[in-house]
Amino acid sequence: DVKVTQSSRYLVKRTGEKVFLECVQDMDHENMFWYRQDPGLGLRLIYFSYDVKMKEKGDIPEGYSVSREKKERFSLILESASTNQTSMYLCASSFEFNEQYFGPGTRLTVT
Amino acid sequence: KNEVEQSPQNLTAQEGEFITINCSYSVGISALHWLQQHPGGGIVSLFMLSSGKKKHGRLIATINIQEKHSSLHITASHPRDSAVYICAVAPSYGGATNKLIFGTGTLLAVQP
Repeated sequence: DVKVTQSSRYLVKRTGEKVFLECVQDMDHENMFWYRQDPGLGLRLIYFSYDVKMKEKGDIPEGYSVSREKKERFSLILESASTNQTSMYLCASSFEFNEQYFGPGTRLTVT
Repeated sequence: KNEVEQSPQNLTAQEGEFITINCSYSVGISALHWLQQHPGGGIVSLFMLSSGKKKHGRLIATINIQEKHSSLHITASHPRDSAVYICAVAPSYGGATNKLIFGTGTLLAVQP
């Protein structure tokens, strides 16, 4: 079975802090994605990566950056966390154009 | 207007009932996905389809490409089916990526 893991289930950070969210997949998928999920808005794509060191902006990249130095790991960085970044963050991976496999999510609260 | 619309937004059913959740989309697609999210849990892919119908256990997904519409059916519903069901489409304009556009989900509660 494909496994996608995320570094934390719950995280509380203060405004202005730098925040790292890590995602690791174990199935050699080339595609990896970072989403945020907010009530009433559904899942929105922040960034995705289709290969090591390759990345593309999604629909809401402002305030975020990403890093993919190894194929199995995709990191989401909040350079200076703000309260409007309080959300559920979900990572996913996929092989080519197949189904996406999701991690358990990280619920981030910025105070 | 969202490119992917689901209905209903909320649904309460009695155990054993036949349930239908609908998804309409406004873009050309290469595939449509149905996903399930339990409270506090991660998201699981139920189906990926580009035509016709797929069945897995008590779940059936259908798609009509001409009408840009898909339905997810649950037969003999059970309280463990209570979850958010999310429709997502892979737009044709996405090119050589696997980007998806998501609906806002349907919250299903099945009461015993």
